[in-house]
Amino acid sequence: SQQGEEDPQALSIQEGENATMNCSYKTSINNLQWYRQNSGRGLVHLILIRSNEREKHSGRLRVTLDTSKKSSSLLITASRAADTASYFCATGSDYKLSFGAGTTVTVRA
Amino acid sequence: ETGVTQTPRHLVMGMTNKKSLKCEQHLGHNAMYWYKQSAKKPLELMFVYSLEERVENNSVPSRFSPECPNSSHLFLHLHTLQPEDSALYLCASSQSGAGIGAGELFFGEGSRLTVL
Repeated sequence: SQQGEEDPQALSIQEGENATMNCSYKTSINNLQWYRQNSGRGLVHLILIRSNEREKHSGRLRVTLDTSKKSSSLLITASRAADTASYFCATGSDYKLSFGAGTTVTVRA
Repeated sequence: ETGVTQTPRHLVMGMTNKKSLKCEQHLGHNAMYWYKQSAKKPLELMFVYSLEERVENNSVPSRFSPECPNSSHLFLHLHTLQPEDSALYLCASSQSGAGIGAGELFFGEGSRLTVL
């Protein structure tokens, strides 16, 4: 299975701190994507990194990809209360994406 | 607003009922998906339609029956469900193609299903 696994399962940080979560996967990929889900809502795409890229930035988000280790990390800098959500990595090829169980991030005011 | 609309948002049904979930996308995408999300578990891919052809059916029980009448609409027909089928059902669409990897998925807000 190409399903990613996020680590840690849960993370609690103070507002203003950085949050880092990791994703590991098993097979070769075309790209890896990160999504956010607020409680009881649909998932929202955050960032896509291709297999030939090592790092990508989008606002306060920084994603790295190490294909030799089959792992990726998502860093959220200067966290805000609105960043409280679950974060999922997704891997796949062609038309299909497989998701992990996610990392639940709580940002305390 | 993601351009993917799911109805109903909440559904309560008995084990003998027949109901349907509806999904509509206004993004011109060529692929549509049903995912099941249960508490503390990874999202489960149920069905994928690409260009209105079903290309994936992940051993989903026959009590779930998908229908894709055109590239903008996707249905999930439900009958004789079990309490363990209670979950959030998410529809998504994407513009994907062979060799370039799965494109970005645009999700609806989900249909919260409770089976009594």
